[in-house]
Amino acid sequence: GQNIDQPTEMTATEGAIVQINCTYQTSGFNGLFWYQQHAGEAPTFLSYNVLDGLEEKGRFSSFLSRSKGYSYLLLKELQMKDSASYLCAVLPNDYKLSFGAGTTVTVRA
Amino acid sequence: GAVVSQHPSWVICKSGTSVKIECRSLDFQATTMFWYRQFPKQSLMLMATSNEGSKATYEQGVEKDKFLINHASLTLSTLTVTSAHPEDSSFYICSARDSQREGIYEQYFGPGTRLTVT
Repeated sequence: GQNIDQPTEMTATEGAIVQINCTYQTSGFNGLFWYQQHAGEAPTFLSYNVLDGLEEKGRFSSFLSRSKGYSYLLLKELQMKDSASYLCAVLPNDYKLSFGAGTTVTVRA
Repeated sequence: GAVVSQHPSWVICKSGTSVKIECRSLDFQATTMFWYRQFPKQSLMLMATSNEGSKATYEQGVEKDKFLINHASLTLSTLTVTSAHPEDSSFYICSARDSQREGIYEQYFGPGTRLTVT
């Protein structure tokens, strides 16, 4: 089976930066996705990494190290609307996305 | 672009009845669609992979006779929960891959269906 770990909860202040780590052990690797999910809604795509390094997209950046089985999602200039669950998902050899349990981020004023 | 719809968005049914959930890709063709279920404060668990024109592939532990999947066209997959029980109450989410984008494995998610069995 696939093993994907990420912290359960994180809290940060509006305007601050938060880094959500994700480690994985999977049967093969064909890329890593980050999704944002608000309560009661479907996940929305944030980023995709397949090569090592940092991908920056506005206030959100995602980093990947394949040798370490490690990724992080960096959220800058936090806004209240960023309060949500953030899901790390890996695409293994069977090309079926395997999700971590999600990290609930709470942004406080 | 890349919009996936689900219908209904929420449904309440009585124990023992069947419920059908539709998943449609609105502006792209999807040879492959996926069905997930999500319990409160838990992550998405893959139930089955729906393949257009062929039988669905079910994950271990998912009863194929209870969760019937039909993928009759390139834009529509349906999930029927048969003889529903209260423990089937959950958030069901479908996703789809764009068949025209070779080598791109991004999945587009529907808005989900909240099923409550009383």
